[in-house]
Amino acid sequence: EAGVVQSPRYKIIEKKQPVAFWCNPISGHNTLYWYRQNLGQGPELLIRYENEEAVDDSQLPKDRFSAERLKGVDSTLKIQPAELGDSAVYLCASSFRGTNYGYTFGSGTRLTVV
Amino acid sequence: DQQVKQNSPSLSVQEGRISILNCDYTNSMFDYFLWYKKYPAEGPTFLISISSIKDKNEDGRFTVFLNKSAKHLSLHIVPSQPGDSAVYFCAASYTGNQFYFGTGTSLTVIP
Repeated sequence: EAGVVQSPRYKIIEKKQPVAFWCNPISGHNTLYWYRQNLGQGPELLIRYENEEAVDDSQLPKDRFSAERLKGVDSTLKIQPAELGDSAVYLCASSFRGTNYGYTFGSGTRLTVV
Repeated sequence: DQQVKQNSPSLSVQEGRISILNCDYTNSMFDYFLWYKKYPAEGPTFLISISSIKDKNEDGRFTVFLNKSAKHLSLHIVPSQPGDSAVYFCAASYTGNQFYFGTGTSLTVIP
C-alpha cells in the first residue's frame, strides 16, 4: 500500500511568486492535515480536513495561503505570494477519523524562498 | 505558546546503552501522547503511543513512561542501536485529532 504521497519534494522560488503543493493521502483516510515545519521546530498544524470540509483552519494565514480538497481525496496547498519567511518543510498527513494511532506523514515538500 | 516542550535538542549515547528522551507539556487536558521518529528527508513516522489512563507502554526496545502529575513523559530505548539515530518528536492531543508537537531531540547512537 502506498503511503502519503507529496509532490514536489523540493521547490525553490523567488519571493512574491506563487507555489503549490500536492498531497495524495492513504486510500480510505478521510482526515487530511497540512503541517508546516520550520527549521529546528516541530510540525505545526495549518489546516485539517474531514473529507472535503476544512474543519480547522484557524492557523492558516489566509491572506496568502489557501487549500482545497475538492473530492475529499487529494489536496492542494497554495501560497500566493510567497515570502522569505515561508521557507519551511510542508508536511501532509492523513488518518482515519478519530484514530488514536496518530497520523501517517508524507515525506514533505521543502520550500525555499529566495 | 509551546504546549509541548523537548528541552534537549540533542543526545548522544553509546551503542548498547539506554537512551532516554524527555518531553514536558503544559496542557492538563492532553490525554493521548505519541512519539514520532524522523530521518533526514523523510516525514515523521509513528513510533509508540500512550493514553493518559496508563503510566507505561512497552513495545520491544521502546518504552514510554507518563507522569501525569508532573506533566512529563519519556521515551526509553534499550539497547540503543546505530539505526536509532534520528530526530524524535513527542506529540500530545486532547481531541484525538490535532496533535501538538515538541521541537524534537536529535539522537545519535555511537557505534
